[in-house]
Amino acid sequence: SAVISQKPSRDICQRGTSLTIQCQVDSQVTMMFWYRQQPGQSLTLIATANQGSEATYESGFVIDKFPISRPNLTFSTLTVSNMSPEDSSIYLCSVDLAAYNEQFFGPGTRLTVL
Amino acid sequence: GIQVEQSPPDLILQEGANSTLRCNFSDSVNNLQWFHQNPWGQLINLFYIPSGTKQNGRLSATTVATERYSLLYISSSQTTDSGVYFCAVGGYNFNKFYFGSGTKLNVKP
Repeated sequence: SAVISQKPSRDICQRGTSLTIQCQVDSQVTMMFWYRQQPGQSLTLIATANQGSEATYESGFVIDKFPISRPNLTFSTLTVSNMSPEDSSIYLCSVDLAAYNEQFFGPGTRLTVL
Repeated sequence: GIQVEQSPPDLILQEGANSTLRCNFSDSVNNLQWFHQNPWGQLINLFYIPSGTKQNGRLSATTVATERYSLLYISSSQTTDSGVYFCAVGGYNFNKFYFGSGTKLNVKP
């Protein structure tokens, strides 16, 4: 399996500000994924982050709102920009381990926007 | 994309009861996983099971890939089993992982 950490674990932010969430993995992985889980809902994929290339965004998510960095094979960041209360969600990163063909998730970042 | 449907959406059990959760999916899959999301939001991997049957303690899962469904069995339920159970699948182009809407389980003492 993989050990995945996220920072911060939770935050309360004011509308109009931005928050950067970090995801660190204890092994090198090709693909990292960012998900959003709105209150009471299932998980929705925001984007796929590959090292050395731009992230691939899903329909309804844009780079200006959710810029992603992937500087190396163990680390990625997701920024939630110009936040509004509708951005209040749990944000989770995940990785797939090629050897297992299985996805593992970080503990999540619980974001509240006032 | 692949459609994933889970049933039932909500389930209330008395401690000690057994239950079966179902996951239907709309296309061939290369990956199927069951997760338990605890009250703190952490997703716990339960099973990686694109086909066949697996067991882990009181939990077991079966996927019938040709009929496009998977079942998660919980026996002798405990209050710590409460939370949301998600089924998620990945197609053969493993760039996307599709989640069902989840089953919210409440086990009462």
